[in-house]
Amino acid sequence: AQKVTQAQTEISVVEKEDVTLDCVYETRDTTYYLFWYKQPPSGELVFLIRRNSFDEQNEISGRYSWNFQKSTSSFNFTITASQVVDSAVYFCALSEMSAGGFKTIFGAGTRLFVKA
Amino acid sequence: KAGVTQTPRYLIKTRGQQVTLSCSPISGHRSVSWYQQTPGQGLQFLFEYFSETQRNKGNFPGRFSGRQFSNSRSEMNVSTLELGDSALYLCASSLVSGLSYNEQFFGPGTRLTVL
Repeated sequence: AQKVTQAQTEISVVEKEDVTLDCVYETRDTTYYLFWYKQPPSGELVFLIRRNSFDEQNEISGRYSWNFQKSTSSFNFTITASQVVDSAVYFCALSEMSAGGFKTIFGAGTRLFVKA
Repeated sequence: KAGVTQTPRYLIKTRGQQVTLSCSPISGHRSVSWYQQTPGQGLQFLFEYFSETQRNKGNFPGRFSGRQFSNSRSEMNVSTLELGDSALYLCASSLVSGLSYNEQFFGPGTRLTVL
């Protein structure tokens, strides 16, 4: 069965600190997709990154980086030099094929507070 | 390119009533998924539609239903509303190519309040 665990409910940091958001997933499929989304206070979910199960390369995009490790079923997200605008709820999600379509399960989310 | 639009943005209903929510996906996106977001349960998958067919359904009672039209627009319906149905209902569209699954683009949601 699919499961996504984001153990950190809330994280509070001071601006310019680095912060890592953890994501652990469970799946029996060999083909699956992992995502991170950001939900700012305005409420609309914004896509950040997509990874398929065959691509374990880490990725860096500006201050954001992602570490995908199949051996530990983890897909962690690091924000370097955090800024107040990074304050949001961050969701990790897992999509796998089911019954000819795709089913996406979201983690509970991690609320990040970045204080000035 | 226009994003995912959802109407209405806010809705207040009473118990026992029914409601229909609408979603227009990004042009060219044929996969539409619906989610329910509540503070207690988080984001929960309702169903996914592709080419007018429901391909997947989450663990929700039969009061929750949906459909997709030939232009990929989708509606979801909740009948016999209960207080616990109060939530933000999110629609997301995705470009599905072959067996690859791309990221979902979310609409702003419909905030449903059941009194």
